[in-house]
Amino acid sequence: AQSVTQPDIHITVSEGASLELRCNYSYGATPYLFWYVQSPGQGLQLLLKYFSGDTLVQGIKGFEAEFKRSQSSFNLRKPSVHWSDAAEYFCAVGRNNNDMRFGAGTRLTVKP
Amino acid sequence: DTEVTQTPKHLVMGMTNKKSLKCEQHMGHRAMYWYKQKAKKPPELMFVYSYEKLSINESVPSRFSPECPNSSLLNLHLHALQPEDSALYLCASSQEGTGTDTQYFGPGTRLTVL
Repeated sequence: AQSVTQPDIHITVSEGASLELRCNYSYGATPYLFWYVQSPGQGLQLLLKYFSGDTLVQGIKGFEAEFKRSQSSFNLRKPSVHWSDAAEYFCAVGRNNNDMRFGAGTRLTVKP
Repeated sequence: DTEVTQTPKHLVMGMTNKKSLKCEQHMGHRAMYWYKQKAKKPPELMFVYSYEKLSINESVPSRFSPECPNSSLLNLHLHALQPEDSALYLCASSQEGTGTDTQYFGPGTRLTVL
């Protein structure tokens, strides 16, 4: 069965500091992996996705993620966090849009 | 235009009411989705329409009734809901339903059932 684990419920970082959000997955086949962001009162926005190829994926808003098959991980990173990055971040796994499973989410707070 | 619009933004209804949520997109997408998101939880897929036909129903109770009148419009009809149905209801669309093309989400309708 497919599942996604985001170990950190809530993370606080200072503005300008680097960020890493963790995501571990369990999937029977080669997974397709996604990171979404949800600002308060908003829908989800796709940050980046991984299907195959280069394991370091670049996304929007300066985010990147690295797929590590040996660790079953797909961690999201950003070198310098901005106050506007405060939001809920969801990792998701699935072979297609009908099959998407989301992690529980990580809430990011950015300190001035 | 990559916008998915949802109306209303907020809805409060009693358990005996009948109401509808509306979702619209003008991106020419042929797949549309309803998700339910409880507070502090991830979204859960409810329904998928592909080419205006219901292709996925994730064992959703019949008090939720989806409708896709045309390729741009998706409705969710609500009847005899329970307080535990209170949640944020998200609509999304994508080019096709069977692939992994990007889903575009609307801002959601926050539903409160009294």
